[in-house]
Amino acid sequence: GQNIDQPTEMTATEGAIVQINCTYQTSGFNGLFWYQQHAGEAPTFLSYNVLDGLEEKGRFSSFLSRSKGYSYLLLKELQMKDSASYLCAPMDSNYQLIWGAGTKLIIKP
Amino acid sequence: DADVTQTPRNRITKTGKRIMLECSQTKGHDRMYWYRQDPGLGLRLIYYSFDVKDINKGEISDGYSVSRQAQAKFSLSLESAIPNQTALYFCATSDLRQGDTGELFFGEGSRLTVL
Repeated sequence: GQNIDQPTEMTATEGAIVQINCTYQTSGFNGLFWYQQHAGEAPTFLSYNVLDGLEEKGRFSSFLSRSKGYSYLLLKELQMKDSASYLCAPMDSNYQLIWGAGTKLIIKP
Repeated sequence: DADVTQTPRNRITKTGKRIMLECSQTKGHDRMYWYRQDPGLGLRLIYYSFDVKDINKGEISDGYSVSRQAQAKFSLSLESAIPNQTALYFCATSDLRQGDTGELFFGEGSRLTVL
């Protein structure tokens, strides 16, 4: 079957760096998305990886290893507004996004 | 104005009532989706549509129906609402034309409470 595995919750300190890991199993693969979701709000797009390697976008970077079924999201210089859930979502062979429960990130001063 | 608009944003109703959630988009996308989200769970796909004449069931379609009235409009109906349909509902759009990644663009969500 199709499966996403992310930590349920993580805590980090303002100004620090945090890495959120995601492992996945899908029927086929057409890229992997990371979304940010604040409580009660819609998910918003952060990054997309389709080839192995690191994609950097400002304070956020995302890494993909297709052979390992593994991705991570790296957040640098953490700010209080980064407190949110982070959703890892690979796209399967039918171009459908597969969603896990996400990782709730708590930032402490 | 939002590219993907959902109405109503909040609704409280009683068991057995018929409810319609509406979604409209100005992105010109062919693909539209309805998801529900429950606390501690991931987004679960209810129905999706790849064009006006195309309707597909997702993983949790029982108790729901949809209508794709036009490219820009996709509505979700609960014919007889029950309390376990209390959830946050999201409409989303995407496209897979050349150069598109298939990224989903979400509406702001509709919070439905069934008493």
